[in-house]
Amino acid sequence: GAVVSQHPSRVICKSGTSVKIECRSLDFQATTMFWYRQFPKQSLMLMATSNEGSKATYEQGVEKDKFLINHASLTLSTLTVTSAHPEDSSFYICSARPTGQGDAYEQYFGPGTRLTVT
Amino acid sequence: QKEVEQDPGPLSVPEGAIVSLNCTYSNSAFQYFMWYRQYSRKGPELLMYTYSSGNKEDGRFTAQVDKSSKYISLFIRDSQPSDSATYLCAMSAKGGKLIFGQGTELSVKP
Repeated sequence: GAVVSQHPSRVICKSGTSVKIECRSLDFQATTMFWYRQFPKQSLMLMATSNEGSKATYEQGVEKDKFLINHASLTLSTLTVTSAHPEDSSFYICSARPTGQGDAYEQYFGPGTRLTVT
Repeated sequence: QKEVEQDPGPLSVPEGAIVSLNCTYSNSAFQYFMWYRQYSRKGPELLMYTYSSGNKEDGRFTAQVDKSSKYISLFIRDSQPSDSATYLCAMSAKGGKLIFGQGTELSVKP
């Protein structure tokens, strides 16, 4: 149980285009989902927290107009990287917290999406 | 100063060795302490979770938390090549977000 999927697993796009990444909780409902970014050999950095039916909360330094997050249902959150540039190339990982769970450790991670912007 | 410090390694050990992984932290409000394992190009998976101070054992894995020293450890006994991965510590205050360490890359040689 507690499986989180991400699609696509890898994407290559040209500079200036937009890319959408989906995060789905497959066997549980998740009121809250999280989006992280990870550079090679570095830690996971929280980008934003998304709550179903409301606006996402972005961490300091993350451009909300560049990284659009939509959490339209209890099993799906999407991250759209708008006007992508090479510096946006990274590993994007989502996680989902089962509805009713409140502690930070109670989140399940997806397999990640490798974004390469050329 | 980072909130969570973790030696990035890499750490290479022979099969069967005892592995010790460590993190230090600065925020005394942290109450939840986790260890995640991350294989290359995959998402992290939760290995161990400890609330407040103390030890927790699960098979070959033991997690220790010393809140007085702001120091946490993960021990792996009888290490196996399949344990080769990056190990991330993470911690949070109650209701807070997860703060991750940099991750330690472990290689267990047959």
